[in-house]
Amino acid sequence: ETVMTQSPATLSVSPGERATLSCRASQSVGSNLAWYQQKPGQGPRLLIYAASTRATGIPASFSGRGSGTEFTLTISSLQSEDFAVYYCQQYNNWPPAFGQGTKVEIK
Amino acid sequence: EVQLAESGGGLVQPGGSLRLSCAASGFIFSNYWMHWVRQAPGKGLVWVSHINSDGTTINYADSVKGRFTISRDNAKNTLYLQMNSLRPEDTAVYYCARGYCSGGSCYLPADWGQGTLVTVSS
Repeated sequence: ETVMTQSPATLSVSPGERATLSCRASQSVGSNLAWYQQKPGQGPRLLIYAASTRATGIPASFSGRGSGTEFTLTISSLQSEDFAVYYCQQYNNWPPAFGQGTKVEIK
Repeated sequence: EVQLAESGGGLVQPGGSLRLSCAASGFIFSNYWMHWVRQAPGKGLVWVSHINSDGTTINYADSVKGRFTISRDNAKNTLYLQMNSLRPEDTAVYYCARGYCSGGSCYLPADWGQGTLVTVSS
């Protein structure tokens, strides 16, 4: 089973600043890595898939990088609507697995 | 616009059963894999089960195998999750999600509903 580990657990950032979130897989997942955003009371929203491809309607301020076991999600300039919890998910190996999440909060 | 509306959640006693439904609209339901993912209160996301477009490929997380059954009715554009022998640790918001196939894998839940809360307690 592939274990996904996200860091940090909480990231405090000021509006307009850059945020970088990390995700590590316990074994290679190739480029089959997705990132989701979740706000309170809502279902997750797919941001990035294939490690670096933005989903439909996702702004260019969100970017993903990495392959194998190390991945990052960067939000170039945080807007008020970007404060949320972010999850990574590997969909390369059975069973599919999510990280524990990174909460991006207002500093 | 893709819409997924879960229903059927509620309070059930340990050992009891519940059937969740997910009504889909805005896309050709019969063309897509579908997933169930759950989230315990204040916790992270956990994949539960998925089913391919015609129902011939089904998989479950070990934690629910033998207790939960996923199914779909393509004529009614509806996904189901039959949950039996429920345990307190099954308490969670259950989300259905439309799948997307990428990089040779169809294990990617792409579009999600708002979820339905299942509470297992005496």
